[in-house]
Order: sequence, then C-alpha cells, then structure tokens
Amino acid sequence: QKEVEQDPGPLSVPEGAIVSLNCTYSNSAFQYFMWYRQYSRKGPELLMYTYSSGNKEDGRFTAQVDKSSKYISLFIRDSQPSDSATYLCAMSTNFGNEKLTFGTGTRLTIIP
Amino acid sequence: GAVVSQHPSWVICKSGTSVKIECRSLDFQATTMFWYRQFPKQSLMLMATSNEGSKATYEQGVEKDKFLINHASLTLSTLTVTSAHPEDSSFYICSANGQAAFGAFFGQGTRLTVV
Repeated sequence: QKEVEQDPGPLSVPEGAIVSLNCTYSNSAFQYFMWYRQYSRKGPELLMYTYSSGNKEDGRFTAQVDKSSKYISLFIRDSQPSDSATYLCAMSTNFGNEKLTFGTGTRLTIIP
Repeated sequence: GAVVSQHPSWVICKSGTSVKIECRSLDFQATTMFWYRQFPKQSLMLMATSNEGSKATYEQGVEKDKFLINHASLTLSTLTVTSAHPEDSSFYICSANGQAAFGAFFGQGTRLTVV
C-alpha cells in the first residue's frame, strides 16, 4: 500500500464547475499537507499548504484536511481553462527540511 | 516568493557522456535540496536529498556513482548524470526548502534526452 493515494484521473469538467480533488494517506505522523499544480513540462508550483486538520481558503481554492479520516481535499470554485493541469498532493511530518511524500497526481482538464 | 532556478531546461546528449544540471535558490538560502525524477504521466520519484556541506542521501535503488550530487553552497546544488544511457532519459526536477519558507519550491525541471 502506498503511503499516499491519489486518483490519477483524468478528470474533465466544464468551465465554471466546482472541482474536488482528493488524497488519502496511511501515515498518521503527517502534519503538513500541500497541494501543488504542475503544468505540462514544468516544475510543480506550490498552491496551498495546511497544518493539521481544518480548512484554508485562498481565492477560488479551498484546502481541507481531516486527520481523523486521513483524507485531504482541494476544491476549485469557478474553474477556468487555465486551471487545467496536474494537481499533486504532498505531505510531510516536519516543518522545513523534511522530504515530501507525493501522491501520483490528478490530471485535470477544464472544458471551455 | 521563493524562486528556484534550474538549468538547463532541456538537454540532448550522446550515450556515454555526462550531463550536469544546476539548481539555484535565487532569493533564499536553501539548507536542503531534493532531486526528483519524473516519467511521463507519473508522479515525482525522489532520488536523493542533499544538505549543504555534506554528502547526499540517496533513495533505495538510486545509483550513487551514476547520479552525482554536490551541494557546495546554500544556493547551489548540482546533479551530474554520468555515462548517460537512453534509459536515463527523463524529466529531472530539483526542489529547495528554505529555513523560513514553508514547503518545497521547485525548479522548472530539466528534460534530458540521451540518444
């Protein structure tokens, strides 16, 4: 069993829809949770990070963490074609220099 | 925000030659840098962790003598693929963790093609 599971998709939704991306994990020591966006042939870009359980909102993006269920989500509201990318969840146990454990990434396409 | 620059963005080399990839943190000091490899439509596979001034820590299955990592300063790490072969063709990405910046910040990636 992988430490972090993420549905690879692909996921296609119409422009303006709400997108829900999810990851589950098995290591209860994970404390920091991140979402990265990666465009084709580019390095990942940090979108959001959260510590422990709870919600965090940034513009059209909302990250949720449920540590009791070992489940994290990223919601994208009013999705745009420019949101089309691969979204990777990542987790770590410590702040700072700890290496990240990544999900496989979900390929998302927003259809105009 | 934290900026990590990776160079070159793409390189083609002949089988048997060596290729060096540079990773620089431009506006912060990176105490730790990571090197990843990514195959098409797959996630990032961690190859090694390098700390400034010390030897890199390689993940299981990664050949230390083939993938040489040097982290000589707080802003620069290099990955050298020695005696490259076609199976080494991949997308290589570095990331850097700053002391004050949260999360890992990634370079643009280097697409290596060995012919």
